[in-house]
Amino acid sequence: KAGVTQTPRYLIKTRGQQVTLSCSPISGHRSVSWYQQTPGQGLQFLFEYFSETQRNKGNFPGRFSGRQFSNSRSEMNVSTLELGDSALYLCATTEEGDTGELFFGEGSRLTVL
Amino acid sequence: AQSVTQPDIHITVSEGASLELRCNYSYGATPYLFWYVQSPGQGLQLLLKYFSGDTLVQGIKGFEAEFKRSQSSFNLRKPSVHWSDAAEYFCAVGTGGFKTIFGAGTRLFVKA
Repeated sequence: KAGVTQTPRYLIKTRGQQVTLSCSPISGHRSVSWYQQTPGQGLQFLFEYFSETQRNKGNFPGRFSGRQFSNSRSEMNVSTLELGDSALYLCATTEEGDTGELFFGEGSRLTVL
Repeated sequence: AQSVTQPDIHITVSEGASLELRCNYSYGATPYLFWYVQSPGQGLQLLLKYFSGDTLVQGIKGFEAEFKRSQSSFNLRKPSVHWSDAAEYFCAVGTGGFKTIFGAGTRLFVKA
């Protein structure tokens, strides 16, 4: 089975722009979670999707949004980028979600200048 | 509130020495506990998990962890560290609300 695929791997944006990141889960995985990773902060939970529905979301401003498509692929969007949004954004997938093992992609590294 | 604390930001051990990484959690019910490892430029990989039963769990790469309910801890151990174990290690709690909470991580350095 192919692993979790995240695109793009690296990107540079300037303040005020917006960005869209994509995540393709492992075949058969219907739950997709997104995390923001910054040095010293660990992984901060953004949101989780299952069958195109957001089931949980973290404590991030409304500039951070996501969606999931019928094929379980997911996108997250960050609008009006700020310098503090520079981070590694990780996608993690699992079959049903909740308590099982998360399978991670390699992440999309966003730099905001 | 649910939380995971990894008190050590970084640890340095000599190759061949034993290792213990600490993890404490705050959660109302019996948690689902995990340890993940992240090598540079990579995503996270599961080392081991605890759901119920035997409180000493074995994982991949020779790692083990022990769940101690009385101490709200889930420390990771390895009897003999190899240079390839240098990485960042994350303890995590599955909250049952379609959300896994991670600690801030412990970076392991291995000296020859």
